[in-house]
Amino acid sequence: DAGVIQSPRHEVTEMGQEVTLRCKPISGHNSLFWYRQTMMRGLELLIYFNNNVPIDDSGMPEDRFSAKMPNASFSTLKIQPSEPRDSAVYFCASSWTGGGPEQFFGPGTRLTVL
Amino acid sequence: QQQVKQSPQSLIVQKGGISIINCAYENTAFDYFPWYQQFPGKGPALLIAIRPDVSEKKEGRFTISFNKSAKQFSLHIMDSQPGDSATYFCAASKENSGGSNYKLTFGKGTLLTVNP
Repeated sequence: DAGVIQSPRHEVTEMGQEVTLRCKPISGHNSLFWYRQTMMRGLELLIYFNNNVPIDDSGMPEDRFSAKMPNASFSTLKIQPSEPRDSAVYFCASSWTGGGPEQFFGPGTRLTVL
Repeated sequence: QQQVKQSPQSLIVQKGGISIINCAYENTAFDYFPWYQQFPGKGPALLIAIRPDVSEKKEGRFTISFNKSAKQFSLHIMDSQPGDSATYFCAASKENSGGSNYKLTFGKGTLLTVNP
């Protein structure tokens, strides 16, 4: 059974460019979480969705960040325009309400903004 | 505001030794305390978790000790092995009012190295 799928795995872009990260949650899961991991700040929750509806986006750092979940099997995290300080590993995780609180993480996207 | 404080940042243990990682939390409403394990290049994965109605939970070589009054919990890895070398994150969560999902607040992580 496939786990959480993220693409791309690595992204290198220049400052000012738009970046789109993609996530496919585990089939049947109804909650989806976007995290950012850096050495300085650790794992930070950016936003999470329940049944495709954004529930809490208080972790989104600023208006340059946006996330969507158009259906149960796909979500995007967009950064426009990107800045060097956005360089980090971005993780997507999913869970199922009936399965308890365990979150299943994807392999992450390593973003480098030059 | 850091709601979950984790220590140490890094830990080196000899094979066969005991690894101990500590976490402290502030929000008394938290009711779920998991530990996640992360290997290089991978996403974190749930290792073991505890709820505040018990003081200890053991799964194989991994044990969580929980002290509700002190608002602290710790991970103990007995007979540590080189394959345990990874980054460990504690976390805490409060089930939301609707019971529909859990928002995890993570500690900053501990890099564990187990020398052979």
